[in-house]
Amino acid sequence: DAGVTQSPTHLIKTRGQQVTLRCSPKSGHDTVSWYQQALGQGPQFIFQYYEEEERQRGNFPDRFSGHQFPNYSSELNVNALLLGDSALYLCASSLSPGAYSPLHFGNGTRLTVT
Amino acid sequence: AQSVAQPEDQVNVAEGNPLTVKCTYSVSGNPYLFWYVQYPNRGLQFLLKYITGDNLVKGSYGFEAEFNKSQTSFHLKKPSALVSDSALYFCAVSPAYSGAGSYQLTFGKGTKLSVIP
Repeated sequence: DAGVTQSPTHLIKTRGQQVTLRCSPKSGHDTVSWYQQALGQGPQFIFQYYEEEERQRGNFPDRFSGHQFPNYSSELNVNALLLGDSALYLCASSLSPGAYSPLHFGNGTRLTVT
Repeated sequence: AQSVAQPEDQVNVAEGNPLTVKCTYSVSGNPYLFWYVQYPNRGLQFLLKYITGDNLVKGSYGFEAEFNKSQTSFHLKKPSALVSDSALYFCAVSPAYSGAGSYQLTFGKGTKLSVIP
């Protein structure tokens, strides 16, 4: 049973560029959340997708956008990259959108912005 | 807004000794509380959760945590530490209601646990 898979594992981009990160949820999960983990910090909530809609959004600018597909997979898009966007981006899936449902995390995409 | 404090950046414990990793939280109303563990270059793994009911929660790999509402704490414990327990531990909180902020987990900064052979 495959867990949460994320691609790519590593990515190097230049300031001002755009990036797309991809996530396939654990089998049976219909909810996907995205988190940003800066070096030495805990994960910070970006947004959550359920039924192909953004259910909730954290304190991130509009440069961060996402999408969920009918097969529950998801994409995170970041436009106009800044140096401060360098981080580990974690995708997590769950059985339902409620916060009581434990998150299953992928191994993340390490984004470096130069 | 909710918040989590993990007052210790690092905890060192000898193998076989009991371990405690501390967590305090702030949230409106009742909390949902979680512990996750992160190994190097990996995502987070769920350890245990408190939703309601018994204040002592048992989880994976022999870990347990005690919810203390009056002290707003949710400390992680294990009776006998293993070297393989060495990792980064995160406490997380969410408000237990439906509404703005209810779907997101707020994480602490993490505590690095080192178990010394």
